Amino acid sequence: KQEVTQIPAALSVPEGENLVLNCSFTDSAIYNLQWFRQDPGKGLTSLLLIQSSQREQTSGRLNASLDKSSGRSTLYIAASQPGDSATYLCAVSGATNKLIFGTGTLLAVQP
Amino acid sequence: EAQVTQNPRYLITVTGKKLTVTCSQNMNHEYMSWYRQDPGLGLRQIYYSMNVEVTDKGDVPEGYKVSRKEKRNFPLILESPSPNQTSLYFCASSLPGVNTEAFFGQGTRLTVV
Repeated sequence: KQEVTQIPAALSVPEGENLVLNCSFTDSAIYNLQWFRQDPGKGLTSLLLIQSSQREQTSGRLNASLDKSSGRSTLYIAASQPGDSATYLCAVSGATNKLIFGTGTLLAVQP
Repeated sequence: EAQVTQNPRYLITVTGKKLTVTCSQNMNHEYMSWYRQDPGLGLRQIYYSMNVEVTDKGDVPEGYKVSRKEKRNFPLILESPSPNQTSLYFCASSLPGVNTEAFFGQGTRLTVV
């Protein structure tokens, strides 16, 4: 059974710092991995999707990497801003489009 | 604007009183699903639908029903809600295929007393 773990559960950093969020999964037979952002009262927003054949994806200050063989992904946020404060979720997808989520990392960026 | 719309956003109800949470998407997506989010457990899939009239159970389907009569709508039905169904619910949609982005609604916070 696929299990997804995110470390750390919570993180507080000063504004401007670069940071890395970690995601690990137990079964490497995935089709893709997605990183989401969750804001209170606003649902989930997809940030990046990495296909199983890809190693990384970039969007603005965000860079996500995927090492399928070791069951790991990282989300790198450059030059963090207070507006980046949110819960970040990673999810892996199998053949049925079902997403299996980690429990998230709560990020607080202090001004 | 491409979106998934859930209603209501907040609901407090009593045990045993049937309720429906609606979900509608305007992106012509074939795939739709429902998740519940609980502290320490993350999001777990309740039901999903690959297309109109095609639905199947997810990981936690007990106590829930769904229907998919139209492509854009995928309501979640609680025939007899119980307190353990108190949770934050999300509807999601995507195109079929294994590398498609999922779009989520804003969530419905349900409290069953």
